[in-house]
Amino acid sequence: EVQLVQSGAEVKKPGESLKISCKGSGYSFTSYWIGWVRQMPGKGLEWMGIIYPGDSDTRYSPSFQGQVTISADKSISTAYLQWSSLKASDTAMYYCARRSGYGDYGYYYYYMDVWGKGTTVTVSS
Amino acid sequence: DIQMTQSPSSLSASVGDRVTITCRASQSISSYLNWYQQKPGKAPKLLIYAASSLQSGVPSRFSGSGSGTDFTLTISSLQPEDFATYYCQQSYSTPHITFGQGTRLEIK
Repeated sequence: EVQLVQSGAEVKKPGESLKISCKGSGYSFTSYWIGWVRQMPGKGLEWMGIIYPGDSDTRYSPSFQGQVTISADKSISTAYLQWSSLKASDTAMYYCARRSGYGDYGYYYYYMDVWGKGTTVTVSS
Repeated sequence: DIQMTQSPSSLSASVGDRVTITCRASQSISSYLNWYQQKPGKAPKLLIYAASSLQSGVPSRFSGSGSGTDFTLTISSLQPEDFATYYCQQSYSTPHITFGQGTRLEIK
């Protein structure tokens, strides 16, 4: 079964660091990009960035560039999202998702087809 | 940045109704449009990709159409399990994707 298993809920204080994880199984982890999506309480989905575990090529949304770091360890099929100094506004659910694609007449369409269950991050003093 | 605008933001409907949700892109995105369903406390689930292709395992009452800037998600006959929030997402500017703000579908 193809799945992404995310690490458990975190409760942190402002200024603390944090690294959450997303472990893939049931497929070739190094062959698919893994994206991260934020969902603040009661709000919609925001794309944060994406990494290709095969070579660690990483792209960030301009809104999150410099605010978080995305990384991967292909030896253990795991992607990470980390903060060096958390703020209360980082309180949210964070999802990882696999990006797949579909080719048709020379065009390639990408979509997020497998999602982790999410990691809740609460930042409060 | 490509902006995605969904309408309506919320919608009340009854079991058996035909429902249409609209998504508009701020520029042409060809058919690079996906639809997701999210139930409370759960991760999003892919329904439709490439504007009109049904993801494996998704019931055929779901369908997508459109190209360019205007897209629709249609549920032909609402079932109790379809009450959820629906998001469109453009992949034209991949890897820099954007989501619509969501449409909450509630029971009337």
